Amino acid sequence: AQKITQTQPGMFVQEKEAVTLDCTYDTSDQSYGLFWYKQPSSGEMIFLIYQGSYDEQNATEGRYSLNFQKARKSANLVISASQLGDSAMYFCAMREGNAGGSYIPTFGRGTSLIVHP
Amino acid sequence: DTGVSQNPRHKITKRGQNVTFRCDPISEHNRLYWYRQTLGQGPEFLTYFQNEAQLEKSRLLSDRFSAERPKGSFSTLEIQRTEQGDSAMYLCASSPDIGWNNEQFFGPGTRLTVL
Repeated sequence: AQKITQTQPGMFVQEKEAVTLDCTYDTSDQSYGLFWYKQPSSGEMIFLIYQGSYDEQNATEGRYSLNFQKARKSANLVISASQLGDSAMYFCAMREGNAGGSYIPTFGRGTSLIVHP
Repeated sequence: DTGVSQNPRHKITKRGQNVTFRCDPISEHNRLYWYRQTLGQGPEFLTYFQNEAQLEKSRLLSDRFSAERPKGSFSTLEIQRTEQGDSAMYLCASSPDIGWNNEQFFGPGTRLTVL
């Protein structure tokens, strides 16, 4: 089974509007972390935001927020006030904290976001 | 710039040749990871070092692949007898050795094309 599922291969949003990128995950661990990365066409993965499984508050970093719904096992990324520079691939990843685990994160297949003027 | 660096950025080679890539992590980071990324996919884990010890290898890492981190600083990834299926972006990432939930810092990647 896929550990990370990103069901939206591509998303379009108008500049200055908000957009939500979906991510669902599958784990039996109680301790885990969820990450979102941005990958522009240049190729470098840029860390955006982190949510721990025990965090009660949704994570926020500037224009990025994570809508964490633990019971549904979803960790959607919300980008507010989209900018043209937000056009990129976005990857959701999970790292499970099981005892003896290797801390290797698993990535989803990504969502391509295009922001148009 | 104190980020993760990778060299070369691009490599074109003929099938059957050997190639070697280098990764220089952020200097205080003990953990180093190699990933492979093909078009339309997320990064797939290849191998992981803590300091100089290679602690985990993916089943994706066939016998033709070898990675080293001899002094716990930079790392090399070698692919022997390259095949066209090896064409991909090879990403290196590093993270500090504090807990298990730190984000990884990625390099710009090495894009390999096998003709």
